[in-house]
Amino acid sequence: KQEVTQIPAALSVPEGENLVLNCSFTDSAIYNLQWFRQDPGKGLTSLLLIQSSQREQTSGRLNASLDKSSGRSTLYIAASQPGDSATYLCAVTNGNQFYFGTGTSLTVIP
Amino acid sequence: NAGVTQTPKFRVLKTGQSMTLLCAQDMNHEYMYWYRQDPGMGLRLIHYSVGEGTTAKGEVPDGYNVSRLKKQNFLLGLESAAPSQTSVYFCASAPRQGGAYEQYFGPGTRLTVT
Repeated sequence: KQEVTQIPAALSVPEGENLVLNCSFTDSAIYNLQWFRQDPGKGLTSLLLIQSSQREQTSGRLNASLDKSSGRSTLYIAASQPGDSATYLCAVTNGNQFYFGTGTSLTVIP
Repeated sequence: NAGVTQTPKFRVLKTGQSMTLLCAQDMNHEYMYWYRQDPGMGLRLIHYSVGEGTTAKGEVPDGYNVSRLKKQNFLLGLESAAPSQTSVYFCASAPRQGGAYEQYFGPGTRLTVT
């Protein structure tokens, strides 16, 4: 069974810092990896999707990388802002089912 | 563009009662999913569907049933609610586009079983 782990569980940084969130998975036979953002009491918003044949994806201040062979992905957030405060989740899929990590709760301090 | 919608947003049930949660998507997606989210456990897949008229079990299917009679709708039923089913339920959909399978989520339904 696929296991997805996110470290750290919580992170607090001052505004303006660059930061990295980590996601690891046990079974490298994935179709894609997706990063989401979840605000308190809200649904999940897709941030970036990396297909298994890709190494990274970028959107604005966000950059996600994927190393399928080692079962790792990172989400890099540049020049963090208080509005980035949220829980960030990663998920992998084998084409039918999706497996989620428990998330990293990020707080950006003004 | 409505995307993925869920009905109702909140519900309180007594133990043993039944209810149906409705998920609707207007993006013509083939795949639809039901998850539950509990503190410290992340999102867990209950059931999913890869097309109209098909359903399959996910990680935690016991106590739930689903139906996908129309491509745009995915229903989640609780036949006899239990306090352990208190959770936030999310529906998601995804298109079948090569290896993409990018998921789009609804806003969630908060269910309390007393």
